[in-house]
Parts: sequence; C-alpha cells; structure tokens
Amino acid sequence: GQQVMQIPQYQHVQEGEDFTTYCNSSTTLSNIQWYKQRPGGHPVFLIQLVKSGEVKKQKRLTFQFGEAKKNSSLHITATQTTDVGTYFCAGPQQTGANNLFFGTGTRLTVIP
Amino acid sequence: DVKVTQSSRYLVKRTGEKVFLECVQDMDHENMFWYRQDPGLGLRLIYFSYDVKMKEKGDIPEGYSVSREKKERFSLILESASTNQTSMYLCASSRDRGRSPLHFGNGTRLTVT
Repeated sequence: GQQVMQIPQYQHVQEGEDFTTYCNSSTTLSNIQWYKQRPGGHPVFLIQLVKSGEVKKQKRLTFQFGEAKKNSSLHITATQTTDVGTYFCAGPQQTGANNLFFGTGTRLTVIP
Repeated sequence: DVKVTQSSRYLVKRTGEKVFLECVQDMDHENMFWYRQDPGLGLRLIYFSYDVKMKEKGDIPEGYSVSREKKERFSLILESASTNQTSMYLCASSRDRGRSPLHFGNGTRLTVT
C-alpha cells in the first residue's frame, strides 16, 4: 500500500543550528502539504507544494518538492526555540477518496 | 479564519462505555475527518465525510462509527470503548479533499480505563 516515510523520527539541535526533515512517498504525489504541531497542540498547516521541483520559502523555512514528485524536504535555517514541535508531511492517497495520508512526523527539539 | 471546535479536551471513560466525541466547524466545509494520533504512528484516518449523512471508512475504522446529521457537525462514536482506544483524537475539516489544507481542532485526549 501507499507509504509516506519521514526521517529522522527525532532530531535534537542546538539553537542556531540548521535542521532538515525528509519525506519520501512510495507513489507520485499530486501535491504535498507540510504541517507543524507544537507540543500539546494540534497540527497547523504550513504550506502546500504542487509543481515538480518547486521550492518555497517562509522566512527561515525552505520547502522543496522533488522532481519526480515522490519526495520533499523542509529545511530550517538557524533554528530557534520557537521551532520546537513535530513536523508532518502529507500527500493525497492514491485511492479515489483522495484523502491526505500523513507521514509519521519528525519531532524537533531545540536546545537553548 | 476557520475554527474547528472539539467538545472535550480530556475524557476518561471506562471499558465498555459508549463514547461520543463531537466536532463542529464554522466554515461551511464539505469535508470532515476524524484522525487518531499515537506516538510513533503519526495521524491515522478513522472516518471521513464529504457531505451530510455521508460517511466513508478511513484506514482504521474498526471499533468506531460516525454521524453527520448537519454539515457543520461530525461526531465520532465508540460503541464500546476499549483500552486500545486510548489516544488523542483529532477532528479536521477541509474545502477540497486532498487539495486544500486540513484545519484541525484542538484534539480530545481520551483515556479508557
């Protein structure tokens, strides 16, 4: 069946260091979405990528969609304590329902 | 701004009890979803609905049912709660399935003892 794998599962960084999480799908995705969940909170939508090779930036966050539309990455430059949380990628399932299928997430800890 | 409201933040129920989790959204979204979130497993889809009185099974529907009598309200029902249903339950809504963002409620942490 369809799988969306995220690595790493956990990442601890010193404040100021960079961070990257990777998302890999077993199938081609029509789009990919990224969400952030703060500790004790709920997932909040960050961004959606649609085009092959697309790169989008939000301040210190850079999102990429692979050329084959099967992988994606989120890179944070110079992490801050406010970046703490779990980052999820999600893509549409290949079934007719087209619901979002979530990766397992990467939990980021930032050490001050 | 879309608001998705879940009726309870924390619930403690006993094994065998019938449990209702309620969710209301205020943006006239067609699609509503129930996910459960467990450590190491991410978010897994239990049920979804794309219209009033319509419901579809997600990836892990066993032990659950749903009800959507009004567009803004989507209820998750545990007919007979079991300890393996202890989890965080998240309700979400969206405009277009698979293409537009999900808007999540704050979640209900259910403990079944």
